Amino acid sequence: AAGVIQSPRHLIKEKRETATLKCYPIPRHDTVYWYQQGPGQDPQFLISFYEKMQSDKGSIPDRFSAQQFSDYHSELNMSSLELGDSALYFCASSLGSSGNSPLHFGNGTRLTVT
Amino acid sequence: LAKITQPISMDSYEGQEVNITCSHNNIATNDYITWYQQFPSQGPRFIIQGYKTKVTNEVASLFIPADRKSSTLSLPRVSLSDTAVYYCLVGGRDDKIIFGKGTRLHILP
Repeated sequence: AAGVIQSPRHLIKEKRETATLKCYPIPRHDTVYWYQQGPGQDPQFLISFYEKMQSDKGSIPDRFSAQQFSDYHSELNMSSLELGDSALYFCASSLGSSGNSPLHFGNGTRLTVT
Repeated sequence: LAKITQPISMDSYEGQEVNITCSHNNIATNDYITWYQQFPSQGPRFIIQGYKTKVTNEVASLFIPADRKSSTLSLPRVSLSDTAVYYCLVGGRDDKIIFGKGTRLHILP
């Protein structure tokens, strides 16, 4: 079965650079979530989209922005990167935005800021 | 959002049944209880979801008492490959899907 696809798998950037992470949800899934997970930490909710509209916002820095496109894929744009942005970034998709729709996660993008 | 409490860590042995209990005293009427498993450097994986009583699938069972203020994930006959972090999430319609402090399960040979 098709899963959530994230690209790139690994990304190395320098401080103050920008990065774009992409997420392709499971076909027919209309909701996308972004999470950030630092080393030894639990996933932190950043932002979610339902039917191409932002549905919820978590602890996402103002330097980050995201959107969901007409084909339901989503991109997380990160500017003025800081060392503390180094983390695993997971995207998840679900069918519907209610809390009882299980999330399906991708394998993540590991961002390293040097 | 429901406040969730689960053990920080647990150890068990191969072949044993493992029960991880999650406390969610202020669960709302519309909230479902969902458990995820996460291996290092991988995305969380959905295990099981329930609303009340008992739910069972091919990998786990979920027990929810009548008052729904707690739930117990039961993993039968664990193996070394079940060593992972297990997250209990509680939410309903339009809730943010927030991960709390999961339970780090360590299976010993």
